Amino acid sequence: GQSLEQPSEVTAVEGAIVQINCTYQTSGFYGLSWYQQHDGGAPTFLSYNALDGLEETGRFSSFLSRSDSYGYLLLQELQMKDSASYFCAVPQGGGATNKLIFGTGTLLAVQP
Amino acid sequence: DTGVSQDPRHKITKRGQNVTFRCDPISEHNRLYWYRQTLGQGPEFLTYFQNEAQLEKSRLLSDRFSAERPKGSFSTLEIQRTEQGDSAMYLCASSPLREGRKGELFFGEGSRLTVL
Repeated sequence: GQSLEQPSEVTAVEGAIVQINCTYQTSGFYGLSWYQQHDGGAPTFLSYNALDGLEETGRFSSFLSRSDSYGYLLLQELQMKDSASYFCAVPQGGGATNKLIFGTGTLLAVQP
Repeated sequence: DTGVSQDPRHKITKRGQNVTFRCDPISEHNRLYWYRQTLGQGPEFLTYFQNEAQLEKSRLLSDRFSAERPKGSFSTLEIQRTEQGDSAMYLCASSPLREGRKGELFFGEGSRLTVL
């Protein structure tokens, strides 16, 4: 089977840096995605890592270590609007589709 | 608005009733996915279509659930004889056949079902 584990909650202050970890167990691995979901809203795509290393997109970066079955999302210069749930996800079934399996999510609370 | 749209946004029904949700994907997207999300959990995969063909169904999808995409455009998800355990957010997502960005799904805002 497949499973993805994330911390359930993280709290940080405005302007700080926060790291959200994800460890995964999969029968085959093709890449790791990250999604953001505000309360009551649609999940929105943030990033995808297929290879080891750090991918940077503005204030958000995502890291992958395939040998450790581990990745993280790094959020810098936190803003109040970053308060949301963050999910890691992996494609299942060969990666030929975007049929994604999601983790349970991390609720990030940004405090003033 | 060219995003994924879902209707209705909210549905309250009594146990035993049938409900149907509609999803209109992004127009050029060939693949369409249905997910279910309960409070505090990540989205759970239910089924997906490539054009009008339903290519996979999760074991989570009981016989009371049926999904269609008759013309390869919009899709419907019907739940028959609803149970209180069906209360959840039903999310639709789409993606292009040729991968623009791997791992990227475009989600609608969901249809929230409450079964009393």
